[in-house]
Amino acid sequence: GAVVSQHPSRVICKSGTSVKIECRSLDFQATTMFWYRQFPKQSLMLMATSNEGSKATYEQGVEKDKFLINHASLTLSTLTVTSAHPEDSSFYICSAREQGFNEKLFFGSGTQLSVL
Amino acid sequence: AQSVTQLGSHVSVSEGALVLLRCNYSSSVPPYLFWYVQYPNQGLQLLLKYTSAATLVKGINGFEAEFKKSETSFHLTKPSAHMSDAAEYFCAVSVSAGGTSYGKLTFGQGTILTVHP
Repeated sequence: GAVVSQHPSRVICKSGTSVKIECRSLDFQATTMFWYRQFPKQSLMLMATSNEGSKATYEQGVEKDKFLINHASLTLSTLTVTSAHPEDSSFYICSAREQGFNEKLFFGSGTQLSVL
Repeated sequence: AQSVTQLGSHVSVSEGALVLLRCNYSSSVPPYLFWYVQYPNQGLQLLLKYTSAATLVKGINGFEAEFKKSETSFHLTKPSAHMSDAAEYFCAVSVSAGGTSYGKLTFGQGTILTVHP
């Protein structure tokens, strides 16, 4: 079956540094990927929609300059948390929609970010 | 606009008992509905989805859900709980296919299922 690989699975960084999270579709092409954030004991909240070759669309309240999204190819989207702060500590998870198949949607295994 | 409400943040059942996790949705357009399971330290795994075909949807691991438009509900059930079913379950809604927004999910708050021996 289709697989979405998300890397790293866990990252610890110092406050003020930047962290890049990768989301790869391993055996299909994904024109659209989605980035979610999950705080402890809360549900997943959509942060942004990443479209290959164009700018990401951010949800209300999400700072686009802080959460940089790049979808440079049909199999890779990256989320960079810039100048991370402790309040950015969260579980980040991506999903990918298979090109041409509106019902094919797959999730990565997530990245636990801890900012010290 | 869409929203999902999962009734009960925690549900506890005995092994072998019926599992019922409740989900109600709100959507201004015909919805696609999903149930996902999340095991500790893992990502989301799709259990089943409703995409405007049969209203009774069968998923993996013996789970099923019934779409009831009149009740705006999509409750998840399993006739007999197993210890391995212990996890957190999320109900989600998306707009139906035909638009580029498919896959843009709105999740419920989640329900933690505990299974007692």
